[in-house]
Amino acid sequence: VQVWESGGGSVHPGGSLRLSCSTSGITFNSYAMNWVRQAPGKGLEWVSTINGFGDRTNYADSVRGRFTISRDNSKNTLFLQMNSLRSEDTAMYFCVTGVTVSRVLSRLNDWGHGTLVTVPS
Amino acid sequence: QSALTQPPSASGSPGQSVTISCTGTSGDIGGYNFVSWYQQRPDKVPKLIIYEVTKRPSGVPDRFSGSKSGNTASLTVSGLQPDDEADYYCCSYGGNNNLVFGGGTKLTVL
Repeated sequence: VQVWESGGGSVHPGGSLRLSCSTSGITFNSYAMNWVRQAPGKGLEWVSTINGFGDRTNYADSVRGRFTISRDNSKNTLFLQMNSLRSEDTAMYFCVTGVTVSRVLSRLNDWGHGTLVTVPS
Repeated sequence: QSALTQPPSASGSPGQSVTISCTGTSGDIGGYNFVSWYQQRPDKVPKLIIYEVTKRPSGVPDRFSGSKSGNTASLTVSGLQPDDEADYYCCSYGGNNNLVFGGGTKLTVL
């Protein structure tokens, strides 16, 4: 399984970025997909999840209303549209496959190497 | 969505055992058997080592074990090896397809 992200960069406060994530080696639409971030020198923070069909999404309180997760199953690609960016959004953003059990997100399996988003204060 | 509570650091000598705790609430750890643990070595990507409280993915040594009692989950690393030196994060399902992580524990092998 391979997972890789793209789209990170430096953006001014209030700006927008769109992250992308591609995968290989899995049946993409069988997996919930997730974004997890890690600020420099800090711990992991769950950001968002989308189910395999793409019709159910969930967000951390810290990003709800500003970030939108989506997926294109025909292209095995996951997206994260990030608007109204703040300095506290500065982090490495990881794309991660998720395994569900009876529609409950059980675990995060395969991690990409991350893409860095920087929002100067 | 409050973070789970982990000790910031833990340590042990090679061959010893060390246990890392992770405390949540009845809304996350106490309410579901969906606790997972991730190992992150320096400058590396996190790796799943325990899921559904006690299960190990293929390839993870049985020196790693997980348990849960009430609102607290624990990760035990037995027979410590220098290669175990890493940050360890617990994670729990928090309802409504939300996840919550612990703050992480830095494990030092003395």
